[in-house]
Amino acid sequence: GQQLNQSPQSMFIQEGEDVSMNCTSSSIFNTWLWYKQDPGEGPVLLIALYKAGELTSNGRLTAQFGITRKDSFLNISASIPSDVGIYFCAGRRAGNNRKLIWGLGTSLAVNP
Amino acid sequence: KAGVTQTPRYLIKTRGQQVTLSCSPISGHRSVSWYQQTPGQGLQFLFEYFSETQRNKGNFPGRFSGRQFSNSRSEMNVSTLELGDSALYLCASSQGTVDQPQHFGDGTRLSIL
Repeated sequence: GQQLNQSPQSMFIQEGEDVSMNCTSSSIFNTWLWYKQDPGEGPVLLIALYKAGELTSNGRLTAQFGITRKDSFLNISASIPSDVGIYFCAGRRAGNNRKLIWGLGTSLAVNP
Repeated sequence: KAGVTQTPRYLIKTRGQQVTLSCSPISGHRSVSWYQQTPGQGLQFLFEYFSETQRNKGNFPGRFSGRQFSNSRSEMNVSTLELGDSALYLCASSQGTVDQPQHFGDGTRLSIL
């Protein structure tokens, strides 16, 4: 099935550093969602975006709905050890907006 | 508010057997979606149920089926299990409109021997 291009695939950073990851597609999207999955658990919703250009924060996390509607970005500031996990983007395409399309995830490791 | 509950958490089966997984959505949520998650493949959409009707379907063989009950609880069934069916099966619920995001349970880890 179709998937979003999510990058980077993995990151290993030092505690305190900022992190950036993104998702891109060749199609236009109406919705972008960012989830985090910890080992042994299901994905947890972090941020939902519904409008082009929208910038939304959730604590140290900030996500943006790209102005072209074909991409989205997630930034984590001042990373801490509990940020470790896999971050997934998901989106709904314009014109077929009921089905969610998923990226393959960005695995984040934080060195204390 | 209770989250999405999936049972069982772990299951071991052998090839050829069948299995039924259960999902209780968040109270008030009418949509339930099922996903298969394997390393390197991400989340693969199986199907979505809304008000007891299958509303959307992914590209899985007919061995994978589901249903939803009047209380919005859902079950997923896999028949004639194959080794490749080993995965984490995730259930997600939502209110059912496109502006409402999905909320996930912790999944059922299915291992096929």
